[in-house]
Amino acid sequence: EVQLLESGGGLVQPGGSLRLSCAASGFTFSSYAMSWVRQAPGKGLEWVSSIGDSGSPTYYADSVRGRFTLSRDNSKNTLYLQMNSLSAEDTAIYYCAKRGTVPVEEYWGQGTLVTVSS
Amino acid sequence: EIVLTQSPGTLSLSPGERATLSCRASQSITSRYLAWYQQRPGQAPRLLMYGVFNRATGIPDRFSGSGSGTDFTLTISRLEPEDFAVYYCQQYDKSPRSFGQGTKVEIK
Repeated sequence: EVQLLESGGGLVQPGGSLRLSCAASGFTFSSYAMSWVRQAPGKGLEWVSSIGDSGSPTYYADSVRGRFTLSRDNSKNTLYLQMNSLSAEDTAIYYCAKRGTVPVEEYWGQGTLVTVSS
Repeated sequence: EIVLTQSPGTLSLSPGERATLSCRASQSITSRYLAWYQQRPGQAPRLLMYGVFNRATGIPDRFSGSGSGTDFTLTISRLEPEDFAVYYCQQYDKSPRSFGQGTKVEIK
């Protein structure tokens, strides 16, 4: 069974940083691309970033490019999202998602809440 | 960026009724790279359909997808209580991939 467990969310001040983690199990992590998708409170879904199975290539939404960095450690079956220069607009639930052989977000974790506020 | 517009915003129906959800793209999605997701309250999204008409693993056959070009439809043939949720379409044809704003299917 595919399991994705996000962690690292919390309350951070504007301008601050946070690193999210996603621990994966139940599949061969190193064989699949991964994504982060976020959802602001009461809003829809926004794709944030994706990474290839070996760690490249990486892709970012314009809204986070230059501030967020996506990486993975295939030896630890873990995905990371380093978020810098956070603003209130980054407040959201951040979902980790596994891509399939078809490049869609096939499985999702339960999400971790990031709140940017002073 | 391809903008996806879903309609209606809210669909009020009774269990057993048919639901028809629309997703319109601002430009043609040429490779049938269109997916649908379901999100129940308090839960993560779940993949329903990909490649327009392919059901994801474990999705019942009351869900079907159709369309091409700029107009796509998700149909739920007979609503079950667990189908009342928010549905999002997503295009993965062009980068950046994008989602529609969602259609809420609520109990009438």
